[in-house]
Amino acid sequence: EAGVAQSPRYKIIEKRQSVAFWCNPISGHATLYWYQQILGQGPKLLIQFQNNGVVDDSQLPKDRFSAERLKGVDSTLKIQPAKLEDSAVYLCASAVAFYNEQFFGPGTRLTVL
Amino acid sequence: GESVGLHLPTLSVQEGDNSIINCAYSNSASDYFIWYKQESGKGPQFIIDIRSNMDKRQGQRVTVLLNKTVKHLSLQIAATQPGDSAVYFCAGAGSARQLTFGSGTQLTVLP
Repeated sequence: EAGVAQSPRYKIIEKRQSVAFWCNPISGHATLYWYQQILGQGPKLLIQFQNNGVVDDSQLPKDRFSAERLKGVDSTLKIQPAKLEDSAVYLCASAVAFYNEQFFGPGTRLTVL
Repeated sequence: GESVGLHLPTLSVQEGDNSIINCAYSNSASDYFIWYKQESGKGPQFIIDIRSNMDKRQGQRVTVLLNKTVKHLSLQIAATQPGDSAVYFCAGAGSARQLTFGSGTQLTVLP
């Protein structure tokens, strides 16, 4: 079974630029999560989708972050404009349903200069 | 809200010894806990979970203990191997199953 795919794996941008990350969850997984993991810390939930609807985005900085899952499969996370403190690994995870085990992708490491 | 932390940021053990990694949580409403292993450059990988109606659960070489009285859980790894070297996170969740992660313990297995 293929795992959660994410791209790009690495991205370096300058502050105030825009960036987008892509996630392809495991086939059949209805629930999709985006996490931010700052160096030395555990992952922090940014947003949770159930199919193409948002379940919880209470920790998403909506002035600069946006996410969508239009067809209930792939998802994109965008940052516009980026700040230095956005440097982190952005992890995508998926689950069959919200009460099932979450499977994580390898993450995208973002460096903002 | 939930707060989950780990007692030690780093732990070094000799190959073949047992490892114990500790974690504390603050929210009494948390009823589900998971231990994850994260290797460099990879996403967290599920190790073992436990529900609050249990105080112990065993897997292959791993055991999780939950003490609800003091809001503490631990991960025990038997006969630690070099491949166990990684960062270990505990995470807690309530009924919505949204995970709150601790800060992690870096386990280093010495030859």
